[in-house]
Amino acid sequence: KAGVTQTPRYLIKTRGQQVTLSCSPISGHRSVSWYQQTPGQGLQFLFEYFSETQRNKGNFPGRFSGRQFSNSRSEMNVSTLELGDSALYLCASSAGDNMDGYTFGSGTRLTVV
Amino acid sequence: AQRVTQPEKLLSVFKGAPVELKCNYSYSGSPELFWYVQYSRQRLQLLLRHISRESIKGFTADLNKGETSFHLKKPFAQEEDSAMYYCALGNTGFQKLVFGTGTRLLVSP
Repeated sequence: KAGVTQTPRYLIKTRGQQVTLSCSPISGHRSVSWYQQTPGQGLQFLFEYFSETQRNKGNFPGRFSGRQFSNSRSEMNVSTLELGDSALYLCASSAGDNMDGYTFGSGTRLTVV
Repeated sequence: AQRVTQPEKLLSVFKGAPVELKCNYSYSGSPELFWYVQYSRQRLQLLLRHISRESIKGFTADLNKGETSFHLKKPFAQEEDSAMYYCALGNTGFQKLVFGTGTRLLVSP
């Protein structure tokens, strides 16, 4: 079966712009989590959605937001981009009841110039 | 607060040598511990989960609650084991992982 799909793979944006990243979970998975990966801070949890509701949130500013659709696909949005937002953004999906089958996508690499 | 510490940024060994990647955690509840591996140009993959007690690719890890450790071990390293290894802490019922900073394992011929 298809894995977790993230689009686009690469993005270059200018400071001050906003960006939307997409994540399609494994079929049947209802939970989608987002992480930011940077050389300095490593992998940090952003937020998690289950059945269109945000259940858990990390320590990121309000410029980072997300949503989940009825088909479990999720998007995350970053507004007023800063240079420090340059990172690999990963999403992971699971059935949602426990960590069984928690699977990561390949990520979207965002570069802010 | 939940925290995962991987003290080594780089571990370099020769093929056939034993490997131990260290991981210590801080968590007041009942932890779920994981090891993830990221090979060059590949996505992050689950290697081990402590509750499954499986041995994957020859790697094992034992949860030591007294020492709050979950070290990853392999008796004989192979060149294809070269990768970035992340220890992660989860809590039951929450789809969230706290990751360590990772250890790069380099296995030389």
